[in-house]
Amino acid sequence: EAGVAQSPRYKIIEKRQSVAFWCNPISGHATLYWYQQILGQGPKLLIQFQNNGVVDDSQLPKDRFSAERLKGVDSTLKIQPAKLEDSAVYLCASSFGSSGNTIYFGEGSWLTVV
Amino acid sequence: QKEVEQDPGPLSVPEGAIVSLNCTYSNSAFQYFMWYRQYSRKGPELLMYTYSSGNKEDGRFTAQVDKSSKYISLFIRDSQPSDSATYLCAMSNQAGTALIFGKGTTLSVSS
Repeated sequence: EAGVAQSPRYKIIEKRQSVAFWCNPISGHATLYWYQQILGQGPKLLIQFQNNGVVDDSQLPKDRFSAERLKGVDSTLKIQPAKLEDSAVYLCASSFGSSGNTIYFGEGSWLTVV
Repeated sequence: QKEVEQDPGPLSVPEGAIVSLNCTYSNSAFQYFMWYRQYSRKGPELLMYTYSSGNKEDGRFTAQVDKSSKYISLFIRDSQPSDSATYLCAMSNQAGTALIFGKGTTLSVSS
């Protein structure tokens, strides 16, 4: 079974530029999460989708971050404009239906803002 | 007080040692408890999953949950150099909600 796919794996941008990350969850998984992991810290939820609807985006900095999950499968996370403090790993994860307890993570997209 | 507290270490042990990793939490509504292992430059990988209180064993790994003390533990027996990684505890209060993670404990096992 294929895992959660993410791209790009690594990205370096200058502050105030924009960046987009893509995620393809495990086939059949209705729930998709984007987490932000800053070096030395645990992952922090940015947004949770159930199919193509948003369940929780309370910690998403909406002035610069946006995410969508069209057609309830793939998802894109965008940052515009980027700040230095956005340097982190952006982890996409998915789980089956509404169980949500067994969450599988992708390898992450590593962002450096200079 | 953070919802989930985890000593970041680092923790260094010799091969064959028993390792104990711990997390405390403040939200008594948490019912689902996980341990993830994260190798350098990789995403977290689910290691152990426990619902409510009790113990769960899987090979060299044992997870314990003590809800009365709001304390969870992961024990690794006969530790191997391949166990060197960051271990993240995570928990949630109900099915379908996102996990709250600890900071992670970095473990190094030397041969």
